[in-house]
Amino acid sequence: AQSVTQPDIHITVSEGASLELRCNYSYGATPYLFWYVQSPGQGLQLLLKYFSGDTLVQGIKGFEAEFKRSQSSFNLRKPSVHWSDAAEYFCAAYAYGNKLVFGAGTILRVKS
Amino acid sequence: IAGITQAPTSQILAAGRRMTLRCTQDMRHNAMYWYRQDLGLGLRLIHYSNTAGTTGKGEVPDGYSVSRANTDDFPLTLASAVPSQTSVYFCASSPKVNQPQHFGDGTRLSIL
Repeated sequence: AQSVTQPDIHITVSEGASLELRCNYSYGATPYLFWYVQSPGQGLQLLLKYFSGDTLVQGIKGFEAEFKRSQSSFNLRKPSVHWSDAAEYFCAAYAYGNKLVFGAGTILRVKS
Repeated sequence: IAGITQAPTSQILAAGRRMTLRCTQDMRHNAMYWYRQDLGLGLRLIHYSNTAGTTGKGEVPDGYSVSRANTDDFPLTLASAVPSQTSVYFCASSPKVNQPQHFGDGTRLSIL
């Protein structure tokens, strides 16, 4: 079955430290890939997307993600985390048709 | 400000009652979607509409119905609410299929 996996349910990092959130997908072809962020009580906001081309994509708020076909991964990174980055992050993929499949999410806590 | 408007913001409902969640977008997007979000499960697609006049079933359609009479509106109806439908419901839209989706702020629904 097509799926998106986020192995980490919770991650805690110190403010100013680097961040990497993991995402793996299971599809035969290269899917369209996305990262969304959700603050408490809010809807989801698109951080970045990958459709094709350069495997390192830049997004909003200083985030980037790298598509690695060999590892079926699309990990999200940020060089220096700010307290305002505390939120829940979702990886998602379109594979076949118009159905966007989401991972279960990773909750990011930022220590001051 | 362009975007998606969902109403109500929250609702407590007795089991067995009928309820319609409203969703309106002003971006002239062709495709619209309804998701439910439950802790640990991420977002799951209930129903979708690729264009006005068409609808389709998502991953968890049972107990829900939708209509798409025009481009802007995509209401979700629970014909006879049950406690397992307690969730946060998000409406989303995209310019066309397989494009990034934009989300509303959600409706928190509790069925007692």
